[in-house]
Amino acid sequence: RKEVEQDPGPFNVPEGATVAFNCTYSNSASQSFFWYRQDCRKEPKLLMSVYSSGNEDGRFTAQLNRASQYISLLIRDSKLSDSATYLCVVKKGGGSQGNLIFGKGTKLSVKP
Amino acid sequence: DAGVIQSPRHEVTEMGQEVTLRCKPISGHNSLFWYRQTMMRGLELLIYFNNNVPIDDSGMPEDRFSAKMPNASFSTLKIQPSEPRDSAVYFCASRFSSAETQYFGPGTRLLVL
Repeated sequence: RKEVEQDPGPFNVPEGATVAFNCTYSNSASQSFFWYRQDCRKEPKLLMSVYSSGNEDGRFTAQLNRASQYISLLIRDSKLSDSATYLCVVKKGGGSQGNLIFGKGTKLSVKP
Repeated sequence: DAGVIQSPRHEVTEMGQEVTLRCKPISGHNSLFWYRQTMMRGLELLIYFNNNVPIDDSGMPEDRFSAKMPNASFSTLKIQPSEPRDSAVYFCASRFSSAETQYFGPGTRLLVL
């Protein structure tokens, strides 16, 4: 089983739609969780961290379910500029020794 | 402020040649990471350094790959000899060791013919 699994998509949605991405991870000892965004032919950039209590940043909401080892990202009122690949990321280990495990990403295409 | 700097941005070489990729982390960051990204395998960690010391190189595919960090502001990833299956985008990233966020460089697109 892969350490971080995501539906590769693509998700093709119209502007203004709400879209949700899911991700599962296999290591129950994982300590930190993130969503990164990667535009075509660019480097990944941190979109948001994911906290156990759930967190929101504008149109973006992230949720974590530790019992089910499941992470989600919800995008409301999607914009053309949201088109990108969204990478689910899990941190193994803590402190200076921890490193990141990336999912292969879910591709989102927002159409006019 | 300058972000992570990588060079070259693109490299095309022939099988069997030596390839050297370079990275300058963000000033003050003391953790540095080398990743490889392909369509098939996604983004994979090759090696990471903390305070210039290699901490985990379990992702390095084989002996043809080597990485060094001679000082806090410079790292290299070398492939010798290169093979067509090494074709990928290679990213360098850095962060403060106590921080969560990694900052990626623009990547080096490597094509081995």
